Amino acid sequence: GAVVSQHPSRVICKSGTSVKIECRSLDFQATTMFWYRQFPKQSLMLMATSNEGSKATYEQGVEKDKFLINHASLTLSTLTVTSAHPEDSSFYICRVSGQYEQYFGPGTRLTVT
Amino acid sequence: GQQLNQSPQSMFIQEGEDVSMNCTSSSIFNTWLWYKQEPGEGPVLLIALYKAGELTSNGRLTAQFGITRKDSFLNISASIPSDVGIYFCAGQKSNAGGTSYGKLTFGQGTILTVHP
Repeated sequence: GAVVSQHPSRVICKSGTSVKIECRSLDFQATTMFWYRQFPKQSLMLMATSNEGSKATYEQGVEKDKFLINHASLTLSTLTVTSAHPEDSSFYICRVSGQYEQYFGPGTRLTVT
Repeated sequence: GQQLNQSPQSMFIQEGEDVSMNCTSSSIFNTWLWYKQEPGEGPVLLIALYKAGELTSNGRLTAQFGITRKDSFLNISASIPSDVGIYFCAGQKSNAGGTSYGKLTFGQGTILTVHP
């Protein structure tokens, strides 16, 4: 069965609204969670890295006030896209890492209209 | 951000043919990973390589960790239609053999199409 889940799998929102994406590790404790963004036919670009209980570390060029990351527990991290714009439409994927293993989530397709 | 140089960008092959793709980097990585991604899904790990020179197989897939630690290749033998997808290489600076996985740097991907 799936080790990592993301919710929702697809979301359509209006420009200016905020969207929250959840990433859950189902069978193990994820000490570190990574959030990626992937545009069509492109590679995965790391947005931020978060460790449980501490603030996320954002990659250069990623606005921390726009992409809010919360990693409150060893099994849950959330990414909130605030004041979404059409250019934020993308495929958002989390990756969870434990001591000996790591898995990607199934991804969330965000469309901003 | 930094990316690995992955080639070819795309391949169109007949079922039964062998496939080869590779990644190179200007810097050293201590772990190389190969992933497959199907449309609308997250990447799935195919093979992980932890030692320079290591050659590892997973069914019809074989991957090698370059001796210089700056490159890796993935071969798929006797391709089948379900091999279709995007293949990504990824490098990690830290040694993940038995320790936690850290930040990955990805290649641009190789889009594989297999004609029956």
